[in-house]
Amino acid sequence: GENVEQHPSTLSVQEGDSAVIKCTYSDSASNYFPWYKQELGKRPQLIIDIRSNVGEKKDQRIAVTLNKTAKHFSLHITETQPEDSAVYFCAASQPRDMRFGAGTRLTVKP
Amino acid sequence: EAGVAQSPRYKIIEKRQSVAFWCNPISGHATLYWYQQILGQGPKLLIQFQNNGVVDDSQLPKDRFSAERLKGVDSTLKIQPAKLEDSAVYLCASSLGRGFGEQYFGPGTRLTVT
Repeated sequence: GENVEQHPSTLSVQEGDSAVIKCTYSDSASNYFPWYKQELGKRPQLIIDIRSNVGEKKDQRIAVTLNKTAKHFSLHITETQPEDSAVYFCAASQPRDMRFGAGTRLTVKP
Repeated sequence: EAGVAQSPRYKIIEKRQSVAFWCNPISGHATLYWYQQILGQGPKLLIQFQNNGVVDDSQLPKDRFSAERLKGVDSTLKIQPAKLEDSAVYLCASSLGRGFGEQYFGPGTRLTVT
């Protein structure tokens, strides 16, 4: 089955800096790659996603890049703000299965 | 639009007892998922329904876990008997179409097994 690895497990940045979280996946059949933000005690919220026929997608301060050949994808957050502090999960899915990474705890220091 | 509803929000039981969780997805969403999220880990997919049929339950511990989605709307997940390692948050999610697309998660049920 699919295996998703996520790095780093914790990330601390100064407000205004950029943050990058990286994930690798094992199954070349995976074709949908969402990123979720989960604040303490709350439900995961989709922040951006990308499909395998696209290499990059941006939404304001958030971008995701996908390298299908290398089987890795990354989340980029620019101009970080304290409210970006949360746990971020990547995931890789096929029609019948979705596997999540272990999560990255992002702390943005004011 | 109303979100995914789950109940109860919290449950504490002793090991070997039984427990059931309920989920009502967003109206019109054909696909429903149950996830288990152990503290400090990412969600783990337990079972996926497409309307009232099971699409995938390969990670569901079928000796103790069962789930159903009668009439293709709301769903229940049952654990019988519970073990200490079942302590987790159980998340229900739904999406509009087939396969995985934008999923909307419910608030979850936090289960503690003592």
